[in-house]
Amino acid sequence: GNSVTQMEGPVTLSEEAFLTINCTYTATGYPSLFWYVQYPGEGLQLLLKATKADDKGSNKGFEATYRKETTSFHLEKGSVQVSDSAVYFCALKRGAGNNRKLIWGLGTSLAVNP
Amino acid sequence: DVKVTQSSRYLVKRTGEKVFLECVQDMDHENMFWYRQDPGLGLRLIYFSYDVKMKEKGDIPEGYSVSREKKERFSLILESASTNQTSMYLCASSFLAGAGEQFFGPGTRLTVL
Repeated sequence: GNSVTQMEGPVTLSEEAFLTINCTYTATGYPSLFWYVQYPGEGLQLLLKATKADDKGSNKGFEATYRKETTSFHLEKGSVQVSDSAVYFCALKRGAGNNRKLIWGLGTSLAVNP
Repeated sequence: DVKVTQSSRYLVKRTGEKVFLECVQDMDHENMFWYRQDPGLGLRLIYFSYDVKMKEKGDIPEGYSVSREKKERFSLILESASTNQTSMYLCASSFLAGAGEQFFGPGTRLTVL
């Protein structure tokens, strides 16, 4: 079936460190892929997305590339800030048919220390 | 900007009470969703709706029902609240077409005593 696997957290980094949060997926067809972020006490908000293979989504210094050959969509940022402390969720939407639901990873908590 | 609002940020209820959680979106989205979020379990879909008066069960519908009488409003109902329904409840909406990104409300933290 369709699934999303994220690296387990929590991830703790110092400010200005490089961030990678791994996300791999299992899906038939050609899914769209998303990263969402949830800041403390808030709902989720879309961080970036990619809708086809080799697309790179980017926003707020974060990037992720849709790699069909490795079924991955890893989130990266070159220099994290304290304000990036949040929970990050990877998700996919199946491309085929009239499918409205997102398949979610369990989330990865990131704490950035000054 | 898309706005999804939820009726309460925090709610405390007693076991056996009937609980209504309301969600309103202002972007004319066809799809609306209710999730619960629990530590270590991520987001789990309770119900979703793709049109007025239309609904489908998600992964954990037991103990919940929903109502969608108007396109912009989607209500989650706990007929008889139980302590294991203590959770964060998140509402989301999305367009029928498009890549499928969902827009979330701020969440309601429900405590059932």
